[in-house]
Formats: sequence, structure tokens, C-alpha cells
Amino acid sequence: SQKIEQNSEALNIQEGKTATLTCNYTNYSPAYLQWYRQDPGRGPVFLLLIRENEKEKRKERLKVTFDTTLKQSLFHITASQPADSATYLCALARDTGRRALTFGSGTRLQVQP
Amino acid sequence: NAGVMQNPRHLVRRRGQEARLRCSPMKGHSHVYWYRQLPEEGLKFMVYLQKENIIDESGMPKERFSAEFPKEGPSILRIQQVVRGDSAAYFCASSVVAGGTYNEQFFGPGTRLTVL
Repeated sequence: SQKIEQNSEALNIQEGKTATLTCNYTNYSPAYLQWYRQDPGRGPVFLLLIRENEKEKRKERLKVTFDTTLKQSLFHITASQPADSATYLCALARDTGRRALTFGSGTRLQVQP
Repeated sequence: NAGVMQNPRHLVRRRGQEARLRCSPMKGHSHVYWYRQLPEEGLKFMVYLQKENIIDESGMPKERFSAEFPKEGPSILRIQQVVRGDSAAYFCASSVVAGGTYNEQFFGPGTRLTVL
């Protein structure tokens, strides 16, 4: 069966360090992958989208990689700040015709000052 | 440009009552998605609609749940005869779809349903 896995344990890092979050998937051939941020009591906020033919995408302090051979995406936040503390979700759509997203359960990031 | 709006933000119902959740997409967006988030779990897709059409309802429970997105007005997710297991946060998202592009989804703040 199709599965998306994110590390369920919280990631605690020191301010200024790079946070790296992992998203692994099985039995999928996604056309693209998205990363969202979710704060407690709020809806997810879109951060980045990467297509199957792209290896890497950057936006300010954020970087996403997408390895379709390993079936893995890595999400990096450089020079992390306490305001980056949140839960980060990866989401897959199976193809462009099927627009519904399947979300991982998320990884909680805590950046210590 | 106002974001996705959902109301009510909090809804309390007793078992057996009906719950109606409303979603107004972002201006210019004609595609609406409903997701459910159970406590300590990830978001689960329920249904995808365009104006007056249900495109994909593969995540919707077969009984008691229905959704619509009329020509005028908000999208409605309706849950009949609610049970305690329906208690969750229900999120609506919208997107603008322009043939073949990979559009991100913009989420509302959610409606937190509590069934007593």
C-alpha cells in the first residue's frame, strides 16, 4: 500500500543551525511533492513545491531536494530561528490529473534560542 | 485578497445531530478540497470539488457525509447523525488550476468539530 513517512519524533536544534527533515514514500510515483508548515490550531501554509524532474528547489532559507530513485525528499532550513518552530508536512499528489494531496503525519521542529 | 475562510471555527454537536461546515475559497479560485485531521494524526483527503461538480470523493466516508460547491455561495461539508469519532479539525483548501500546472493549495483556518 502507498505510504508517506516522516520522522514522528520532534527535531530539536539550536538557533543558527541547519534543520533537515526527511520525507520517504513507498508505492508512489508522484508527479510533484509539496512541503507545508502547520502551527498549532492553524491550517497548513504552503512553502515549496518540487516536480519529479527537479532535483532541488530553493526559496530564501529553505531548500528542498527530491530523489525519485531513493523515493525521498529532504527539507532544509538554514540559519534556523525560533520562529521556524512548527510542524512541517510533506504532501504528494499522484499525478497532475489527481489533485488531492496525501500528507505525511509531519515532523515537529523546535528551534532553541 | 482575503484568504480561504471557514466557519464556524468551532462547532459543538451532540451525537445524532447534523454538522454543516462552510468554506469560501480565495478570490479567483474555483477548486475546493476538504481534509480531516484527527488528533495527533496527519491530514486525510476527503473530497475535491469544482463549482457544481464533485471531481474526486475517494476519501469521503460512504455514509453520513456529503459535500457540495454550488454555483453561488460557499462550499458545504455536511455530516449527518454525527458520532464521537467525527470529532476532528476539518480543513478546506482552494487552488487555482490552469491546465497542467501544479498548483499549491491554500488552506483555511479549519473548523474544529466536537461531538459530545
